[in-house]
Amino acid sequence: DAKTTQPPSMDCAEGRAANLPCNHSTISGNEYVYWYRQIHSQGPQYIIHGLKNNETNEMASLIITEDRKSSTLILPHATLRDTAVYYCIGSSTGNTPLVFGKGTRLSVIA
Amino acid sequence: DTGVSQDPRHKITKRGQNVTFRCDPISEHNRLYWYRQTLGQGPEFLTYFQNEAQLEKSRLLSDRFSAERPKGSFSTLEIQRTEQGDSAMYLCASSLGGGRIYNEQFFGPGTRLTVL
Repeated sequence: DAKTTQPPSMDCAEGRAANLPCNHSTISGNEYVYWYRQIHSQGPQYIIHGLKNNETNEMASLIITEDRKSSTLILPHATLRDTAVYYCIGSSTGNTPLVFGKGTRLSVIA
Repeated sequence: DTGVSQDPRHKITKRGQNVTFRCDPISEHNRLYWYRQTLGQGPEFLTYFQNEAQLEKSRLLSDRFSAERPKGSFSTLEIQRTEQGDSAMYLCASSLGGGRIYNEQFFGPGTRLTVL
C-alpha cells in the first residue's frame, strides 16, 4: 500500500471550505485513495474514496491530480462538528486492513 | 452510531491481569477487524477475520493476545498478563466481504484499556 504524507494540523473558519491535502507519490495504478476521519473519542468514519476521477458525495469532494501523486479532500462548508483527525490512505484491494498514518488534525474555528 | 458495538467501553486493570473485549459487527458483514490506537497515533492493524477464519495477524499481536470469532458473528479479543504498554484504545471494524472493490470499514466506538 502507498505511503501517504499529510500536514499534521490545519485550521479552518466555520462556513468556509476546508481543503485537506495528501501526497501519495508512490501510489500504484490499482490503488484507491481513501479518506476517513476520527472525531474525538470515536472510531474512524469512512468519508470518500477515488481511483483517478474526482468524486463527490454528501460529505465531501475528492480531487485527485492527473498523475495521481496527490489529492485534496474538500469539505465545502466546514462546521464545528467537522473538527477531527482526517486520514488519507492508499489501498490496493478491497476489504483488507487499512494502514493509517498520523493524519491531519483539522480544527474548525467559530 | 455505525451499528458496530464494543463492550466494555472502558476497562481499568492491574498489570498481570487478563482482560477480554467483545465486538458485535453489523450483522451481514463477514469481515471483522481489530485495531489498536495509542495517543497521538493512527489506528494500527492487529488481526482480521473472514467469517470465523482468522486470515491475518499483525506482528503487533504478541503471544499474549488472542482473538476469536467462533460463529462468524461477534468476536472477542483477549489479552493475557497485561502490561502497561497494552494501554490503548482497541477498535473493532466490520465490512462486507465477497470481493467488493472498495474498502469501507465501519468502526465501533472502541474499548479504552488502562493498565495500572
